[in-house]
Amino acid sequence: GESVGLHLPTLSVQEGDNSIINCAYSNSASDYFIWYKQESGKGPQFIIDIRSNMDKRQGQRVTVLLNKTVKHLSLQIAATQPGDSAVYFCAEFKGFQKLVFGTGTRLLVSP
Amino acid sequence: NAGVTQTPKFRILKIGQSMTLQCTQDMNHNYMYWYRQDPGMGLKLIYYSVGAGITDKGEVPNGYNVSRSTTEDFPLRLELAAPSQTSVYFCASIWDLKETQYFGPGTRLLVL
Repeated sequence: GESVGLHLPTLSVQEGDNSIINCAYSNSASDYFIWYKQESGKGPQFIIDIRSNMDKRQGQRVTVLLNKTVKHLSLQIAATQPGDSAVYFCAEFKGFQKLVFGTGTRLLVSP
Repeated sequence: NAGVTQTPKFRILKIGQSMTLQCTQDMNHNYMYWYRQDPGMGLKLIYYSVGAGITDKGEVPNGYNVSRSTTEDFPLRLELAAPSQTSVYFCASIWDLKETQYFGPGTRLLVL
């Protein structure tokens, strides 16, 4: 079936490093993707999105890259901070208002 | 605006009991959603609504029911609670298609 998955369940980085979280998707017809951050005990929080007519989109300290050829999505966090520690989900917009979430990657930032 | 609010925050149910999870948004959003999140997993869509009086099934609707009598409220009903429904439930809403979804704080449900 169609799915959105993540390559690494846990990513550990040092404060100040750049973090890269990867995501694979299987539905080549998907045209909208979102990255969410979820802190413990809270609901998902929107970070950044990208549409399929783009390869790259930048926000504040975050960049999302989309490679439609290999159906791969990545989230890059520059100068990672302890406050960035959370679980990160990529989500694929599927059909009419249906977001399909991946399993998630836990980002651990050590000082 | 309070955004998306959910009640209760936590609930323990016995097998076979019923309950309603409440979700309210004060942003006049047309679209509302219910998701469940199992430990270590992503969110799965249970039901969604595109406006008052209109609801539709998501990926995992079995065991749940919803109604949307007003724009603001989108309650989720569990009629016969089962251990498999132990999860964290999130409600979300958006104004328009492909806009950012606003998530509520979640309801943690434990069925014993």
